Amino acid sequence: LAKTTQPISMDSYEGQEVNITCSHNNIATNDYITWYQQFPSQGPRFIIQGYKTKVTNEVASLFIPADRKSSTLSLPRVSLSDTAVYYCLVGPVSSGSARQLTFGSGTQLTVLP
Amino acid sequence: EAQVTQNPRYLITVTGKKLTVTCSQNMNHEYMSWYRQDPGLGLRQIYYSMNVEVTDKGDVPEGYKVSRKEKRNFPLILESPSPNQTSLYFCASSHRQGLIKNIQYFGAGTRLSVL
Repeated sequence: LAKTTQPISMDSYEGQEVNITCSHNNIATNDYITWYQQFPSQGPRFIIQGYKTKVTNEVASLFIPADRKSSTLSLPRVSLSDTAVYYCLVGPVSSGSARQLTFGSGTQLTVLP
Repeated sequence: EAQVTQNPRYLITVTGKKLTVTCSQNMNHEYMSWYRQDPGLGLRQIYYSMNVEVTDKGDVPEGYKVSRKEKRNFPLILESPSPNQTSLYFCASSHRQGLIKNIQYFGAGTRLSVL
């Protein structure tokens, strides 16, 4: 399983763009990169998933360089409600992979007014 | 509405008194999992199930049992709870259809205290 490393915490101000980087040096060929968001006392919620280059949805963008050894979650113009823990997961998404997506400790993002 | 439902949301019990936390999903997902979340340790998988009657251990299975008799239900059983099982528990289900695969949908959580 690819081990991931994220910053423990980050602070930002409202209206700024926030970039959270995740390192996954031993990512495998069939691994995808998935990000989740978790508010206190709630279950994690899917944000975005990608394999390579750039993926964008209505919530965030995910940048993955060619070597795929890291990825960056970009949150545009954050608000106070974006304060949460963000998890980077790396693993295969084929059959049998429910076991293999392991959550680490995540990054606590605090958005300040 | 697509959802994963856990019950109860809060539970206080005593050591050794058997309990069951129920989990149900209405998305026809094949995969279901149980996690526990403790401060500083993140989410750790307890058990998972790939389909009906197919279950397997996750990272921290000791002291827990599960069953998957129906596709929609995946109860977590603590036969003899101990204080070190005091935690926040999450059930999750996932699918692998379309471009976005194996996204896990989580329940609202069950906060368990074992005295």
